[in-house]
Amino acid sequence: DAGITQSPRYKITETGRQVTLMCHQTWSHSYMFWYRQDLGHGLRLIYYSAAADITDKGEVPDGYVVSRSKTENFPLTLESATRSQTSVYFCASMQDSYGYTFGSGTRLTVV
Amino acid sequence: QKEVEQNSGPLSVPEGAIASLNCTYSDRGSQSFFWYRQYSGKSPELIMSIYSNGDKEDGRFTAQLNKASQYVSLLIRDSQPSDSATYLCAVFNNAGNMLTFGGGTRLMVKP
Repeated sequence: DAGITQSPRYKITETGRQVTLMCHQTWSHSYMFWYRQDLGHGLRLIYYSAAADITDKGEVPDGYVVSRSKTENFPLTLESATRSQTSVYFCASMQDSYGYTFGSGTRLTVV
Repeated sequence: QKEVEQNSGPLSVPEGAIASLNCTYSDRGSQSFFWYRQYSGKSPELIMSIYSNGDKEDGRFTAQLNKASQYVSLLIRDSQPSDSATYLCAVFNNAGNMLTFGGGTRLMVKP
């Protein structure tokens, strides 16, 4: 199916564990983004990528790692999960300046 | 000061009324503006974009832009209970490669 998909939809993990959130888009959009959304903070940019092998930090990158070896995939890894990383994570993609299309989100709980 | 400001609401309007959602931004160089709708538990979806001063209409939605006043608004005519959601204002940065989001306004349309 065409579009942008995130997996898993829901994830519960323990403090200190590594967890990877997946994002896949079928449009070959150049730009991809990772946001977290928390009550009271709105959408905050974690990392973004302008193209394969080009990534850059956003507003809240600490504790997260990204890679983009292929245009269509942009995984987000929490190296050692903390309770403060409990959040809803959204991946988005963009081509040119037509605005973002968001994935359906991953609700992550760190216990 | 946040770069994109919205009143968090909730804004409560009766069914059939006009809902007016407002947004101000700080970067005078911004050229592209977007409104996203986000239902509870869902991802943001793009509903309007506007690039020039004035009004842009799409069905029951009208986006208004005043670059001199650094002000963007969204009017929803004949509001329906199904319009109840959080509305996010988003503005492109000068490079046109990244959106900055406001905190969102929660709209409640009462039958």
